[in-house]
This record gives sequence, C-alpha cells and structure tokens, in this order.
Amino acid sequence: AQSVTQLGSHVSVSEGALVLLRCNYSSSVPPYLFWYVQYPNQGLQLLLKYTTGATLVKGINGFEAEFKKSETSFHLTKPSAHMSDAAEYFCAVSDPPRLSFGAGTTVTVRA
Amino acid sequence: GAVVSQHPSRVICKSGTSVKIECRSLDFQATTMFWYRQFPKQSLMLMATSNEGSKATYEQGVEKDKFLINHASLTLSTLTVTSAHPEDSSFYICSASQGQGLYGYTFGSGTRLTVV
Repeated sequence: AQSVTQLGSHVSVSEGALVLLRCNYSSSVPPYLFWYVQYPNQGLQLLLKYTTGATLVKGINGFEAEFKKSETSFHLTKPSAHMSDAAEYFCAVSDPPRLSFGAGTTVTVRA
Repeated sequence: GAVVSQHPSRVICKSGTSVKIECRSLDFQATTMFWYRQFPKQSLMLMATSNEGSKATYEQGVEKDKFLINHASLTLSTLTVTSAHPEDSSFYICSASQGQGLYGYTFGSGTRLTVV
C-alpha cells in the first residue's frame, strides 16, 4: 500500500518568509501525489498534483512542489508567506482507488 | 473545474435519530465516491468507498449498519448516520473521483454533525 509521511505537525513562519512543508512517500508503483489545503470547517482544496511529466509542479496561490524520485519526496514551497496561508495542509498519494493522507501540517503565519 | 457539493454544511440532531448527508458531483460523473470522517486536529479517516450501483466497501472498524452509504447514480452519493449518538458527532467529508485518481479527487465542503 502507498503511504505518505509529513514531517512536522506544525510550522510557524513570518509573513513574507519562505514556507516549506515536507512530504515523503512510499509507493510500489509510480505515484500520483497531491497537496491539499484545508481551512477551518471546510473541505479540502487542491493546491497541486503530480501525475507524470515535469517534476516541478506549480499550483494555486503561489505554491509549488517538486517530485524527487531519488528522495521519495514531494515537498511544498511558497517563496513568500501571506497571512491567508494559515491553514492545515495535507500531502496525499493515490492508492487506487483511494487517497492515502499524511497526518497534516498546521501552518501559522506571524505578522 | 470539478465541483462537489455537500449538503448540509451543519446539522444538529437528537440522539437516536438518523441524519442523511448528500454529496453531488456537479459537472462530472464520479465513478467512485469516498466518505471520510475527521476528528479535531487530525487527518481524514476513510470510512468507505462506493462505486455507482454497487455496495460500498467499508474500512475496517466502520459499522456498516450505522453508516449507510448509497451511490445510486454517477453524480450522487448519500451517507446516512442511523440512530445517532453523541460519539458520532464529527466532521464528515465526501470526495469524488474519475479514472482511479488520474484526474484527481474533488472534495465537498464537509458537514459538521452534532448529536445532542
């Protein structure tokens, strides 16, 4: 079965600073990888996904992630944090037909 | 883009009653729908997977008779919490996919269930 591990349950950054959220995956087949964001009392919104092709994936709200097969990683970054980025972030890997989620990382942004 | 509508967003019910939550894919046909439960400050816990026209596949430890799932069409799945108890209070989220995830998974906005 496929799985993901998110390193760090909580990340605190200053507004304007780099946001880096770490995700490592385990998969016996070429993975489909996803990052989702969740705001309080809401569902999950897709930030970006990797299926095949270019390993650097750009998503919404200025986020991007790089698929590194050699490191089995799919870390999420944003060059400059905004207050509106405060939320819960989930990395997920497709484990057909389902998704397997990481435990999540809470991002807080300091003014 | 793909949109999944989940209704209601919040519901309060009395112990012993049943509650139905609807999940609709608005602009695509969902071959597979998923129901998750999320406890505070935790990740999503998959409850069951359903394919249109067939019985849902429940995860280990999820009571089939308490959480009834119906997937009668390619655009609608329902979750009915039967004989609800306070411990069933939680945030329930549905998701829909096409093509084994190749086209991604779209999530509903969630339902906050409170049983009093």
